[in-house]
Amino acid sequence: EAQVTQNPRYLITVTGKKLTVTCSQNMNHEYMSWYRQDPGLGLRQIYYSMNVEVTDKGDVPEGYKVSRKEKRNFPLILESPSPNQTSLYFCASSFSASGTYNEQFFGPGTRLTVL
Amino acid sequence: ILNVEQSPQSLHVQEGDSTNFTCSFPSSNFYALHWYRWETAKSPEALFVMTLNGDEKKKGRISATLNTKEGYSYLYIKGSQPEDSATYLCALPTNAGKSTFGDGTTLTVKP
Repeated sequence: EAQVTQNPRYLITVTGKKLTVTCSQNMNHEYMSWYRQDPGLGLRQIYYSMNVEVTDKGDVPEGYKVSRKEKRNFPLILESPSPNQTSLYFCASSFSASGTYNEQFFGPGTRLTVL
Repeated sequence: ILNVEQSPQSLHVQEGDSTNFTCSFPSSNFYALHWYRWETAKSPEALFVMTLNGDEKKKGRISATLNTKEGYSYLYIKGSQPEDSATYLCALPTNAGKSTFGDGTTLTVKP
C-alpha cells in the first residue's frame, strides 16, 4: 500500500531532551516536507527536501533539523525541544521534485507535547 | 511569507445546502494551487491541483474554480452531506519547494 508513515504517533517529553520523529514513504517520491499545525492555524512548513542531500528551510525552521540521506526517509530532529514546539506534526511527500504540480500525500501525524 | 487567506473561517450548513468558500492569494508568481480536505483525526487528503487560469475541476459534488489574474479560487459543495464535514485547506506551492497553506475553512454539515 502506498503510504507515508510517521513514528511515533504520540510523544510526551520534557524540555531539552533531544528527539527524532521519523518519516518514511514507499512511493519513490522526490519531494518531502515537514509541517506543524497549531490550533486555529493552517499547516506551516518547517523544512522541505527536493532530493537526497538537498534540504531547505520553510517558514518556521527555528529549533528543528532535518536530513535526507535516503530517498524514502526524512527525519525531523528537535535537538532541544521547548514547550512552544508542542504541536501536531505532519510529514508529506510528492512525486515532483518541487512539490508544485502534484498533490502532497500526508502521513498520519505526530502529536508532540513538550513539558 | 506568502499571504494565503481563506474565508470564511467556519461555516455551518444544513444537510442538502450548497455552499462555497474562498482562497485568496497574491496573483504574481503563481505556479499552482492545491485544495485539501482534512477530516478530524485524519490526515489532509488532496482534492484538486489547479494550475491554469480559468481551470475548473470537479470530483463528485465538489468542484473548484481558479482565477489567477485576480488571485482567488472558489471551492463549491453541492448538496452538502454530513460526511462533507471537514476543514478545507488551500495551499500555494512555489516552483522551488516552498508551500504556504491558508488557515482553512471548517465546514460543519448538520443532518
